[in-house]
Amino acid sequence: EDKVVQSPLSLVVHEGDTVTLNCSYEVTNFRSLLWYKQEKKAPTFLFMLTSSGIEKKSGRLSSILDKKELFSILNITATQTGDSAIYLCAVGGTSYGKLTFGQGTILTVHP
Amino acid sequence: DVKVTQSSRYLVKRTGEKVFLECVQDMDHENMFWYRQDPGLGLRLIYFSYDVKMKEKGDIPEGYSVSREKKERFSLILESASTNQTSMYLCASSFSGPSYEQYFGPGTRLTVT
Repeated sequence: EDKVVQSPLSLVVHEGDTVTLNCSYEVTNFRSLLWYKQEKKAPTFLFMLTSSGIEKKSGRLSSILDKKELFSILNITATQTGDSAIYLCAVGGTSYGKLTFGQGTILTVHP
Repeated sequence: DVKVTQSSRYLVKRTGEKVFLECVQDMDHENMFWYRQDPGLGLRLIYFSYDVKMKEKGDIPEGYSVSREKKERFSLILESASTNQTSMYLCASSFSGPSYEQYFGPGTRLTVT
């Protein structure tokens, strides 16, 4: 059975801090790892990673994948209150585009 | 822009009622999914469909059924709602092929009393 574990489950920081969110996985026939951000509505796509060691960046957010150690991290630098959200990690490992999600990390950024 | 819409944002039903949740996507996606989201448990897959009239059980299909008569529409049915089905229900869609990016609807918050 495919499994995705995120840590920490929740995190409280102040504006300007840097945070690192973790995602480890056990998946048959790994194909891709995705990060989503969820505010009080639909999850929105952040990154998709398929190759080890290649960092994806978007503004203050970046992510990297380690396929040997089976994990990914999502970094957010200079956090802002608008970064407060649930961050979801998901892994695709079978056909038909099915994803297995982790529990999510609830990030709260205080002013 | 990809748009995935769900029929209701909030729904309150009584125990034993039959409940229909509808999802429509406008991007001609082959794949459609139904998830439920509960605190501390993340998104759990209920059912998915990779083509019209095709469906596959996800991780927690008990108590649910689905219908996909048209490519753009995927319905989730609770045959006899129970209080443990109180949850946030999210629909998603994606293309078949190597990209696994799923596009999500806004969710339906279902309360069963």
